[in-house]
Amino acid sequence: DGGITQSPKYLFRKEGQNVTLSCEQNLNHDAMYWYRQDPGQGLRLIYYSQIVNDFQKGDIAEGYSVSREKKESFPLTVTSAQKNPTAFYLCASSRRGYEQYFGPGTRLTVT
Amino acid sequence: AQKVTQAQTEISVVEKEDVTLDCVYETRDTTYYLFWYKQPPSGELVFLIRRNSFDEQNEISGRYSWNFQKSTSSFNFTITASQVVDSAVYFCALSEAGGNTPLVFGKGTRLSVIA
Repeated sequence: DGGITQSPKYLFRKEGQNVTLSCEQNLNHDAMYWYRQDPGQGLRLIYYSQIVNDFQKGDIAEGYSVSREKKESFPLTVTSAQKNPTAFYLCASSRRGYEQYFGPGTRLTVT
Repeated sequence: AQKVTQAQTEISVVEKEDVTLDCVYETRDTTYYLFWYKQPPSGELVFLIRRNSFDEQNEISGRYSWNFQKSTSSFNFTITASQVVDSAVYFCALSEAGGNTPLVFGKGTRLSVIA
């Protein structure tokens, strides 16, 4: 089946540790996106990539890093520099000019 | 700068009632897209509709309908004869047209349909 997968669904880390969230798509979409959602809030853009080996910062990129070495994959690393990393992280992908499709999300808890 | 406002934070209705979710947007672009997404308790966002700024026709899909009015910068969503399965958070979003551009989301409206 075509779609977007994110793993794991739940992730727990100790403060000070970097953690990488996985996002894979088999929809042959050029663009991929990472959003963060906090309780009662809308989604805020962290990073996006319109093509392999290229990506742009979103509104809240500080403390995060990404890579786009393959069309299918867009992993997000939450670094220890991110002050409030506990959140729900959603990955999405799209074809040029079309709607974005979202993965199931990863809930990250940092204590 | 683009902005989407969903003034209704939470709405509760009794099953079979009609309900309208409001969405007001701001953009300087003349060409743009508007979207509605549904987020059920599982968390995954489900795409409902995309509307091009040049197309002001209202759209109906089953119990769902959308009213797009450029004059008031609004893109409202109505659910007719609501059902318990409609309970979710609904997001309105906006993007530039023509490319793979990110979405700007409203803060969402939590709809609770009570049996």
